[in-house]
Amino acid sequence: DVKVTQSSRYLVKRTGEKVFLECVQDMDHENMFWYRQDPGLGLRLIYFSYDVKMKEKGDIPEGYSVSREKKERFSLILESASTNQTSMYLCASSFDNYGYTFGSGTRLTVV
Amino acid sequence: GQQLNQSPQSMFIQEGEDVSMNCTSSSIFNTWLWYKQDPGEGPVLLIALYKAGELTSNGRLTAQFGITRKDSFLNISASIPSDVGIYFCAGQLTGFQKLVFGTGTRLLVSP
Repeated sequence: DVKVTQSSRYLVKRTGEKVFLECVQDMDHENMFWYRQDPGLGLRLIYFSYDVKMKEKGDIPEGYSVSREKKERFSLILESASTNQTSMYLCASSFDNYGYTFGSGTRLTVV
Repeated sequence: GQQLNQSPQSMFIQEGEDVSMNCTSSSIFNTWLWYKQDPGEGPVLLIALYKAGELTSNGRLTAQFGITRKDSFLNISASIPSDVGIYFCAGQLTGFQKLVFGTGTRLLVSP
């Protein structure tokens, strides 16, 4: 069964901390994505990557960065966590036009 | 960023009822997808549509790709309590790896 695995289901961090959210896929997919999901706002794209070491900004990249050193791994970095980054974070991967496979999500709380 | 217009925003129905939700766009798409998100989980692909006019079923679910390429609908027949969740539509253009998501329809089913 193909999988997108997010390293943590729940995370609590303090304001100002540097936070790493990890995502690994085992499907040899080229494309990987990070979204955040907030009530009433749907899924908003933070960053995506079409290839190793390649990244592009999504709709809400401010306060975030990403790293893709290997094809299977796409990391989201919160440089200095703030309370308005409390959210559900979803990683996804895809191949061509066959839709995304999502991870189970990481619910991040910044206190 | 662009989001698709999805309606209704939420539905509260009795078990056994049929459900219909739809998604419209000002842009045309080559692929329409429907996802379901269970509480606390990532979205899971339900149905993918690749051709205008296409009608596809997956068990009690039926989805159609609109002739104009600017809309799609999802029907659920004889709803059951495990149908509870958020349903997202998504559109994709050939050659573009990003999906454009709808704002979601939250479905609640009363036993």
